[in-house]
Amino acid sequence: TQLLEQSPQFLSIQEGENLTVYCNSSSVFSSLQWYRQEPGEGPVLLVTVVTGGEVKKLKRLTFQFGDARKDSSLHITAAQPGDTGLYLCAGARKRSQGNLIFGKGTKLSVKP
Amino acid sequence: EAQVTQNPRYLITVTGKKLTVTCSQNMNHEYMSWYRQDPGLGLRQIYYSMNVEVTDKGDVPEGYKVSRKEKRNFPLILESPSPNQTSLYFCASSLVSGGIFYEQYFGPGTRLTVT
Repeated sequence: TQLLEQSPQFLSIQEGENLTVYCNSSSVFSSLQWYRQEPGEGPVLLVTVVTGGEVKKLKRLTFQFGDARKDSSLHITAAQPGDTGLYLCAGARKRSQGNLIFGKGTKLSVKP
Repeated sequence: EAQVTQNPRYLITVTGKKLTVTCSQNMNHEYMSWYRQDPGLGLRQIYYSMNVEVTDKGDVPEGYKVSRKEKRNFPLILESPSPNQTSLYFCASSLVSGGIFYEQYFGPGTRLTVT
């Protein structure tokens, strides 16, 4: 059972377009993280969201945590080729605080 | 520089030959964890450690062992590797407080092939 569903699985867009990636679950998480991973490398943490309804911005990236802390979204404005990569969400289970669950990822390709 | 190191980076071995993948961090983090990443299955947690001498099973612990004798090191042991353990393995360390993960750093990965 996949506890964290990410969509879309693949996304190919032109430079300058906007996009949103979704991360959904039926479980409540104490915190949720977003990572970006390049081929052959480990994931790199972009942001951690903690409070329901929280919105965080990182330059052109906007992250939102759902009010019920079961879902999150990542919005990229005016995508650039350098944004290409695998985007992963990960949730920390409330009942088992060291257990981190990852979504399967969204593979983003931004064409110049 | 904040760093998680793993060794070896690449390993090809045969079924049943015990192996250890080492992991070390220099950030004095109490929390460390091991993951495997497989196509179509994503990243799955194998084991994690909240502190020295405290380890817990993740979602796919079968066939693996870990130990946490000191804060900086968290080796992953495969007592009798099998081909279904062929995968890309990542070690990570994190500052965790109240169930919230801060500053999680991943190592560069170890690509293991078991024939």
